[in-house]
Amino acid sequence: DGGITQSPKYLFRKEGQNVTLSCEQNLNHDAMYWYRQDPGQGLRLIYYSQIVNDFQKGDIAEGYSVSREKKESFPLTVTSAQKNPTAFYLCASRDRSSYNSPLHFGNGTRLTVT
Amino acid sequence: QQQVKQSPQSLIVQKGGISIINCAYENTAFDYFPWYQQFPGKGPALLIAIRPDVSEKKEGRFTISFNKSAKQFSLHIMDSQPGDSATYFCAASSYGAGSYQLTFGKGTKLSVIP
Repeated sequence: DGGITQSPKYLFRKEGQNVTLSCEQNLNHDAMYWYRQDPGQGLRLIYYSQIVNDFQKGDIAEGYSVSREKKESFPLTVTSAQKNPTAFYLCASRDRSSYNSPLHFGNGTRLTVT
Repeated sequence: QQQVKQSPQSLIVQKGGISIINCAYENTAFDYFPWYQQFPGKGPALLIAIRPDVSEKKEGRFTISFNKSAKQFSLHIMDSQPGDSATYFCAASSYGAGSYQLTFGKGTKLSVIP
């Protein structure tokens, strides 16, 4: 089955620690995205990548970093500079070759920082 | 700047009733309007989508109505079922500077009661 795998499902960290969220896809999609979801705030774009070794900041990139060394993988690091990191994080991908092809989402990682 | 405004934030409908969720946008560059459905603990998934040259699109019990002059679109769920209980996001897409951008509304939590 093709899809997006996010791990772990739940993650707990102490304040001041960096943490990396994993996202792997086997859909052969070029484009990958990271969204943050907070209650009542919808989905806000953190970073996106159109191709390997290239990525762009989204609307709320401050305090986050990403890498795209492989087509299948797009890990997100939540740094200690992110002021309010507790949230539900969603990774997505899409087929760039087809205009308006849908986003395919993983099942998210819920990060709690105390 | 919220480019896609979605209402209501929450909605309670009796089984068999009609659920209606509304969205409005400002950016006339948007050219594709998808709706995503998200169940608790899962990532969103594409439900139905419409292009602005069409005023209505129906798939089973789900219908999108689109009013280009008013810059509004809505999702109607006919004969609502408890299994439809989920969070619904409207979205609008545009293509610029070599990238596909999808802007989400803040979501509507639908509860269908038996």
